[in-house]
Amino acid sequence: QKEVEQDPGPLSVPEGAIVSLNCTYSNSAFQYFMWYRQYSRKGPELLMYTYSSGNKEDGRFTAQVDKSSKYISLFIRDSQPSDSATYLCASPPGNTPLVFGKGTRLSVIA
Amino acid sequence: DTGVSQDPRHKITKRGQNVTFRCDPISEHNRLYWYRQTLGQGPEFLTYFQNEAQLEKSRLLSDRFSAERPKGSFSTLEIQRTEQGDSAMYLCASSLLASPLAGGYNEQFFGPGTRLTVL
Repeated sequence: QKEVEQDPGPLSVPEGAIVSLNCTYSNSAFQYFMWYRQYSRKGPELLMYTYSSGNKEDGRFTAQVDKSSKYISLFIRDSQPSDSATYLCASPPGNTPLVFGKGTRLSVIA
Repeated sequence: DTGVSQDPRHKITKRGQNVTFRCDPISEHNRLYWYRQTLGQGPEFLTYFQNEAQLEKSRLLSDRFSAERPKGSFSTLEIQRTEQGDSAMYLCASSLLASPLAGGYNEQFFGPGTRLTVL
């Protein structure tokens, strides 16, 4: 079992829809949880991160962590075509290299 | 542009040849990471440096792979006797390891990657 599991999709939604992206993880040592966005043929860029359990909101994006169920979510409100990308969840076991999920490819159709 | 840069952006080589990639991190960053990403997968950790010291190597880093960061600034990743299975995007990232007392997470900033195709 991989330490971070993520449904690779692809996921296709109409513009304006609410998007829900999810990951599960197995390592109880994970404390920080990241969401990276990766456009085609580009490097990943950090979208947002959370520490331990709880929610964090940044504009149209909300990250949620439930440590009791080892479940990570990213919600995108009022999705736009420019949100079309691959979304990667990740966590560092300590202050060390990141462990990534496979990534979910999202297409927002105008 | 003060972000992480990688060179070359694309490399096509024949099986058995050696290739070398370069990464220039953000100037004040003391940690530098190499990851490999294949199609449909997330990045997988290869190795990382703190200043010039190589602190960890993944089991993915076979004997044909070697990485250096001689002066604690730029880094090179060399693959000897390339195989078709080495075809991937090679990503470099850098971060600033702050004082342990500062707490928080030290964001890793990624470069655009070097896409390697082994024929």
